[in-house]
Amino acid sequence: GENVEQHPSTLSVQEGDSAVIKCTYSDSASNYFPWYKQELGKRPQLIIDIRSNVGEKKDQRIAVTLNKTAKHFSLHITETQPEDSAVYFCAASMGYSTLTFGKGTMLLVSP
Amino acid sequence: NAGVTQTPKFQVLKTGQSMTLQCAQDMNHNSMYWYRQDPGMGLRLIYYSASEGTTDKGEVPNGYNVSRLNKREFSLRLESAAPSQTSVYFCASDQGRHTEAFFGQGTRLTVV
Repeated sequence: GENVEQHPSTLSVQEGDSAVIKCTYSDSASNYFPWYKQELGKRPQLIIDIRSNVGEKKDQRIAVTLNKTAKHFSLHITETQPEDSAVYFCAASMGYSTLTFGKGTMLLVSP
Repeated sequence: NAGVTQTPKFQVLKTGQSMTLQCAQDMNHNSMYWYRQDPGMGLRLIYYSASEGTTDKGEVPNGYNVSRLNKREFSLRLESAAPSQTSVYFCASDQGRHTEAFFGQGTRLTVV
């Protein structure tokens, strides 16, 4: 089955800095890559996703890049704010398979 | 719309006791899922139901059973709880392939 590795497990940045979280996947057939944000004590929520026919997608301060050859994808958050502090999960799936999640990255943004 | 609703929010069980976690969605989604979340382990799929009338095992199904009662409801049953089942459980639903998954608020289960 699919295996998703996520790094780093924790990331501390100063407010205004950029943050990058990286994921690798094992199955070259995977073609859907969502990112979920989970604030402390809350439910995970989708923040952005990308499909394998696209190399990059942006939504305001958030962007995701995909390198199919290397089988990795990354989440980029610019101009970080304290409210960006949360756990971020990457995931991958192919066809009609279920999502396989990474183990998560705890992002801490200090004022 | 309520989205995905789970009950209960918190539960403490003694080893060997049984319980059922309830999940309902009002978004007319075809697919429903049960995940468990443990520190440092991410979200691991227990069981899922791709459509009404079907259920399949996920990554960690041992010790659990599920029932897709109708299109709206998907329950998770622990027949004989064990301390290793202490976790936060999330129900989720989506419309199917490559669509946004909506999660419930979670159930924090402690087995002593």
